[in-house]
Amino acid sequence: KAGVTQTPRYLIKTRGQQVTLSCSPISGHRSVSWYQQTPGQGLQFLFEYFSETQRNKGNFPGRFSGRQFSNSRSEMNVSTLELGDSALYLCASSPDRGYEQYFGPGTRLTVT
Amino acid sequence: GIQVEQSPPDLILQEGANSTLRCNFSDSVNNLQWFHQNPWGQLINLFYIPSGTKQNGRLSATTVATERYSLLYISSSQTTDSGVYFCGTAAGNKLTFGGGTRVLVKP
Repeated sequence: KAGVTQTPRYLIKTRGQQVTLSCSPISGHRSVSWYQQTPGQGLQFLFEYFSETQRNKGNFPGRFSGRQFSNSRSEMNVSTLELGDSALYLCASSPDRGYEQYFGPGTRLTVT
Repeated sequence: GIQVEQSPPDLILQEGANSTLRCNFSDSVNNLQWFHQNPWGQLINLFYIPSGTKQNGRLSATTVATERYSLLYISSSQTTDSGVYFCGTAAGNKLTFGGGTRVLVKP
């Protein structure tokens, strides 16, 4: 089975721009979660989608949003980028709650 | 919410040495995972271990859920074991991670 894939792998954006990141889960997995990793804050949960519905949300501003499509692929969007949004964004997939989660390779976003 | 603490924060080992990494969590959990973050940032699954003991080659893990801790053992360490190790516990599917243990194995 193919693993979790994320595109793009690297991205450089300017303050004020917006960005869309994509995540394709393992085949058959319906839950996709997103995480942000920064040196200062560590790994933090952004949100989780299951069957095209946001099921859980972390403590991030409304500039961070996401969605999930009927094939379980997910996208996250960050609008009005700030320097502090520079981070590694990881997505994880699992069949449902209570199962092992598997992570993609991440998208490294740099905001200048 | 759940608090997760990992110790030690840093670990320097000579190749061939054994080590134990610890993960303490503040509340009862029904899901605990150990990961190794590779140099490119990907989290590689090591163990899914809500309770009990598991072994995979030179690595093993034990979770004592009633006492709210998990241990990761690395035996006969190799330079390829270097990197950051994270534990994470999940409520629903929201994983809360510890701060990680950075391991450096010297040849």
